[in-house]
Amino acid sequence: GNSVTQMEGPVTLSEEAFLTINCTYTATGYPSLFWYVQYPGEGLQLLLKATKADDKGSNKGFEATYRKETTSFHLEKGSVQVSDSAVYFCALSGPVNRDDKIIFGKGTRLHILP
Amino acid sequence: NAGVTQTPKFQVLKTGQSMTLQCAQDMNHEYMSWYRQDPGMGLRLIHYSVGAGITDQGEVPNGYNVSRSTTEDFPLRLLSAAPSQTSVYFCASSLGGSTGELFFGEGSRLTVL
Repeated sequence: GNSVTQMEGPVTLSEEAFLTINCTYTATGYPSLFWYVQYPGEGLQLLLKATKADDKGSNKGFEATYRKETTSFHLEKGSVQVSDSAVYFCALSGPVNRDDKIIFGKGTRLHILP
Repeated sequence: NAGVTQTPKFQVLKTGQSMTLQCAQDMNHEYMSWYRQDPGMGLRLIHYSVGAGITDQGEVPNGYNVSRSTTEDFPLRLLSAAPSQTSVYFCASSLGGSTGELFFGEGSRLTVL
């Protein structure tokens, strides 16, 4: 079945540092890929998504590119802020009409130091 | 706009008791799902539904039942609670099916003694 593997945390960075959180997946066909963020005490929120190969999702300075050849969807941000401290989840679904489950990775906790 | 509403927010049960976690959404979303979140395990899918009258199993369905009699409601039932079911439970819904954005409730923290 489908699965998602993301780098283990916690990841600790200084403010304005460059961020990469790795995510790789296993799936048949062309799944949709997502990054969700969870702030303390809250539910998850969609950060960005990509639904086909080579698509780039972006939001709030974060980016991720759907790489079919490496089955990856790594999350990047050029300059992190203290307010980016949260847990980040990579997720996938589909392909549509073949598998409607939305599967999440284990999450990566990010700490940004001022 | 209330979004996804889960009740109760906190619950303590004894082993063997039964209970229902309620989930309601007012966004007319066809797709709804239940996850549990445990330390070091991320979110794991329990059950999901692509529309009223249709439910299917996720990654960890054992010990849980669901039904979907209306578009708005998707209750999760624990028939005989076990300590292994101590977790934080999240309900989520999506307008665009499994390719759309999931909207999450605030979570329900369940402790089974």
